Amino acid sequence: GAVVSQHPSRVICKSGTSVKIECRSLDFQATTMFWYRQFPKQSLMLMATSNEGSKATYEQGVEKDKFLINHASLTLSTLTVTSAHPEDSSFYICSARGEERNTIYFGEGSWLTVV
Amino acid sequence: GQSLEQPSEVTAVEGAIVQINCTYQTSGFYGLSWYQQHDGGAPTFLSYNALDGLEETGRFSSFLSRSDSYGYLLLQELQMKDSASYFCVLFSGGYNKLIFGAGTRLAVHP
Repeated sequence: GAVVSQHPSRVICKSGTSVKIECRSLDFQATTMFWYRQFPKQSLMLMATSNEGSKATYEQGVEKDKFLINHASLTLSTLTVTSAHPEDSSFYICSARGEERNTIYFGEGSWLTVV
Repeated sequence: GQSLEQPSEVTAVEGAIVQINCTYQTSGFYGLSWYQQHDGGAPTFLSYNALDGLEETGRFSSFLSRSDSYGYLLLQELQMKDSASYFCVLFSGGYNKLIFGAGTRLAVHP
């Protein structure tokens, strides 16, 4: 079946630095990908919708200058957390819509720890 | 706006049946889905209801009633590995957007 790969699975970075997380659809083209954030024992919060070849659509309250999203190809979307702070430490998950409209595939998630 | 409500925790024993309810508020949506998530892992798809009624997939069944703004996930013959968080999810915005409920943590005991 369709697979979405996310990398890195875990990353530790220093406060003030930037970190990039990649989300790839491995065997299908994904014109639309989604980025979520999840704190421990809480639900997934949609951060933004990433559209290939155009600007991402951010949810209310998400800083677009802090969470840079680039969807450069039909199989790759990246999330860059800029000037990271400890409060940005979280589980970040991407997803992509499959060829059937009601199918959404999730990446394995990326644990970000900012120290 | 859109919102979903589901119980925060449910406890059951192996072999039992458990129902996780979900009520929602939305101006329009395409369907209701259920996802399972184990601690530290990614959500995995369980079921999708576009129409009212019951959808059955093995030990799991899901139900939707649009008139009641209500759905549920039914898990039968519970196993220890079913201990996880379960999210009801609205499909909206042209199927592009998933709105997650807060999740229900299911603990299955021997």
